Amino acid sequence: EPEVTQTPSHQVTQMGQEVILRCVPISNHLYFYWYRQILGQKVEFLVSFYNNEISEKSEIFDDQFSVERPDGSNFTLKIRSTKLEDSAMYFCASSEGVGTSGGKQYFGPGTRLTVT
Amino acid sequence: AQSVTQLGSHVSVSEGALVLLRCNYSSSVPPYLFWYVQYPNQGLQLLLKYTSAATLVKGINGFEAEFKKSETSFHLTKPSAHMSDAAEYFCAVSGPGAAGNKLTFGGGTRVLVKP
Repeated sequence: EPEVTQTPSHQVTQMGQEVILRCVPISNHLYFYWYRQILGQKVEFLVSFYNNEISEKSEIFDDQFSVERPDGSNFTLKIRSTKLEDSAMYFCASSEGVGTSGGKQYFGPGTRLTVT
Repeated sequence: AQSVTQLGSHVSVSEGALVLLRCNYSSSVPPYLFWYVQYPNQGLQLLLKYTSAATLVKGINGFEAEFKKSETSFHLTKPSAHMSDAAEYFCAVSGPGAAGNKLTFGGGTRVLVKP
């Protein structure tokens, strides 16, 4: 079965540094998502992306965050200036469509971001 | 706004016993409901989904869930637990027709299976 892949599996960075988390969604999928899970807390929606633009974002997704699909295969999440509270597991997901037929979201294994 | 509550952050069952994981949701529109499982060091894998068809939904690995609108519940069950069922389980809700189809997750229930 096709998979969503994410790199790196673990990223350690210093507070204030920029990080880019990378994802390769399933090739024929059109909708892309980022979620995060702070240790011990719920998985939270960050942003969804369709047709090369953000379709929805949460209040967590402030100006420090950005997403991009630079080359038709990768989907990236950039955090411009990391804070300690950005430490979390970040999950990428993709779906073929939305709704009853195409709405199944496939998740990657996650990138654990540690900000020191 | 949508929300999901999973009762019990940890559940311990004996191998062969019934697995019951509870999920209650809140949604202002007819919801789509999902159960995901996460094995250690892996991503979230879809077990099953409810999208307004049959209220009893069968999923992978012998799991099933029943949508009860009157109780706003979508509990997950498996008649006989297997050691391989040890994992964390997440209930999630999304709204129909949303352009981004974002998922709102519950807090998760970690299942321990005792031999």
